[in-house]
Amino acid sequence: EVQLVQSGAEVKKPGESLKISCKGSGYSFSVYWIGWVRQMPGKGLEWMGSIYPGDSDTRYSPSFQGQVTISADKSINTAYLQWSSLKASDTAMYYCARLIAVTDPLKGWFDPWGQGALVTVSS
Amino acid sequence: QSALTQPASVSGSPGQSITISCTGTSSDVGSYNYVSWYQQHPGKAPKLMIYDVSNRPSGVSNRFSGSKSGNTASLTISGLQAEDEADYYCTSYTTSSTYVFGTGTTVTVV
Repeated sequence: EVQLVQSGAEVKKPGESLKISCKGSGYSFSVYWIGWVRQMPGKGLEWMGSIYPGDSDTRYSPSFQGQVTISADKSINTAYLQWSSLKASDTAMYYCARLIAVTDPLKGWFDPWGQGALVTVSS
Repeated sequence: QSALTQPASVSGSPGQSITISCTGTSSDVGSYNYVSWYQQHPGKAPKLMIYDVSNRPSGVSNRFSGSKSGNTASLTISGLQAEDEADYYCTSYTTSSTYVFGTGTTVTVV
């Protein structure tokens, strides 16, 4: 079974750093892009960026470029999303999802999704 | 990159058909057939319902179908059932090599 399992909920203070993870299993992790998606409380889904674990090629949404860092360690089938200095506005649920494509590896659809990681930033 | 435009809410009676629109631009929906749809129940992760405009993954009911015309994609749910109550999001690949999601639509079965 193809599965993405994310790290648990986090409660942090403004200014703190954080790295959350997404571990893939049941497929060849290195050859599929992984996307990160933010969902703020009561709001819609926002694509943050994607990474190709095979060579760590990374693409960011202009809205998130410079605000977060996406990385991956293919040796342990894990992708990461990290912040160097959290803000209250980073409070959200964060999902990772595998990108499936047929002709171009970057153009396709997201399936499956991780269970989500709730990040709460509050003083 | 602006979010794709979806109606905030759509409702229907059990057994009826409803359609959710997803309007983008010539830089996203209008340029590619890489449009997919996701269902999200409260407190749950999104679930893929349609990919590449009109393809249904294995295990998804054939009551769900997708189409596209110009800059607008659509998701139709036929034979509406109580379990279809959820939020639905479209997404499209863009000419900037990014993805953009729709604003989301809440489906209510009345």
